[in-house]
Amino acid sequence: AQSVTQLGSHVSVSEGALVLLRCNYSSSVPPYLFWYVQYPNQGLQLLLKYTTGATLVKGINGFEAEFKKSETSFHLTKPSAHMSDAAEYFCAVSRGTSYGKLTFGQGTILTVHP
Amino acid sequence: NAGVTQTPKFQVLKTGQSMTLQCAQDMNHNSMYWYRQDPGMGLRLIYYSASEGTTDKGEVPNGYNVSRLNKREFSLRLESAAPSQTSVYFCASSEAGQGWVETQYFGPGTRLLVL
Repeated sequence: AQSVTQLGSHVSVSEGALVLLRCNYSSSVPPYLFWYVQYPNQGLQLLLKYTTGATLVKGINGFEAEFKKSETSFHLTKPSAHMSDAAEYFCAVSRGTSYGKLTFGQGTILTVHP
Repeated sequence: NAGVTQTPKFQVLKTGQSMTLQCAQDMNHNSMYWYRQDPGMGLRLIYYSASEGTTDKGEVPNGYNVSRLNKREFSLRLESAAPSQTSVYFCASSEAGQGWVETQYFGPGTRLLVL
């Protein structure tokens, strides 16, 4: 079975500071990894995804994530936080044999202070 | 191009009542999904439909039924609502090219309160 753990249900940063949201996964087969963002009262939208190839993945809105197999991690970063980044972020994992089925982490709420 | 739409946006039910949540997508996607979102638990898959005419159980199917009416529409039915089904329900869709790597597109959600 596959699982995802997001470390920290709430993260608070100042505007302009580094954003780091942590995600660790477990999977018995090579995983495909995703980060989704949910703005208040909206559905989820894809930030970025890792399938194969380059382990540093760049997404929308200046976010990026690095797949580290040895650490079973896929942390999300952004060099400089903006007020508009305030949202809930979800890490998810999919297995090649689980047709389209995603397993989500519990989510991390990011708060950005002026 | 509206993407994924869901109706209703909000619903209050009494225990034992039934209702159907509607979902439609206009992206010509083959696969559709129903999730529920509860605080601190992320999203959990209820049912999915890999293609028109097929449906399969996800992680938490008990108390729910689904119908893939056609390629565009995928409905979720609660036959006898229970307070434990109070949640936010999301519908999603994706292309069926390479299922496990494809991006899922989400609707805005339906907030359901069961009293």
